[in-house]
Amino acid sequence: DAKTTQPTSMDCAEGRAANLPCNHSTISGNEYVYWYRQIHSQGPQYIIHGLKNNETNEMASLIITEDRKSSTLILPHATLRDTAVYYCIVRVAGGGADGLTFGKGTHLIIQP
Amino acid sequence: GAVVSQHPSRVICKSGTSVKIECRSLDFQATTMFWYRQFPKQSLMLMATSNEGSKATYEQGVEKDKFLINHASLTLSTLTVTSAHPEDSSFYICSARDTSGLRETQYFGPGTRLLVL
Repeated sequence: DAKTTQPTSMDCAEGRAANLPCNHSTISGNEYVYWYRQIHSQGPQYIIHGLKNNETNEMASLIITEDRKSSTLILPHATLRDTAVYYCIVRVAGGGADGLTFGKGTHLIIQP
Repeated sequence: GAVVSQHPSRVICKSGTSVKIECRSLDFQATTMFWYRQFPKQSLMLMATSNEGSKATYEQGVEKDKFLINHASLTLSTLTVTSAHPEDSSFYICSARDTSGLRETQYFGPGTRLLVL
């Protein structure tokens, strides 16, 4: 799986949009970008994933650049409950029963 | 999203005893489940891949005789930590692979915190 690079930590004001960047410059054509988050002392929570088109669901939006070398996860109206470590993971979807490789992620802190 | 449960959520045991952790996919069938371990202030580390009806595949450095995995049905995988020692104290998390939709996704359980005294 391609390697990803994320900032160690970010702050965002409650009610504002939180934009979390991820670099994946070595991504292959068949690799998807997945986002998970882990709230303290809980299991990771799936957020969203995409291949090349932008994606949106009830939790977030995923913007992938045209060259697919980077992406941004957007939480449109951050709340205090969005404070968590956010992981950007690149892997082939359905292309093998492989576990996920977690990096250090971004610790997002939502400030009141 | 799909729901994955784990039981127990927390367990304290004496050194030398064995502990079994269950992982269930509640609303989908999972031929493949995964077991992870997370030490304080560290990221999740994959321990093993659990395949329904066949032997588990272990990551390098994980002792298969110490961490017994059984995936007897399409909705249940168990991890047994045998002869637990204090260094096995950790947060154990399972995930289940959902291939029923258009795109494959892995969903995680809430985790089991193990403390070995």
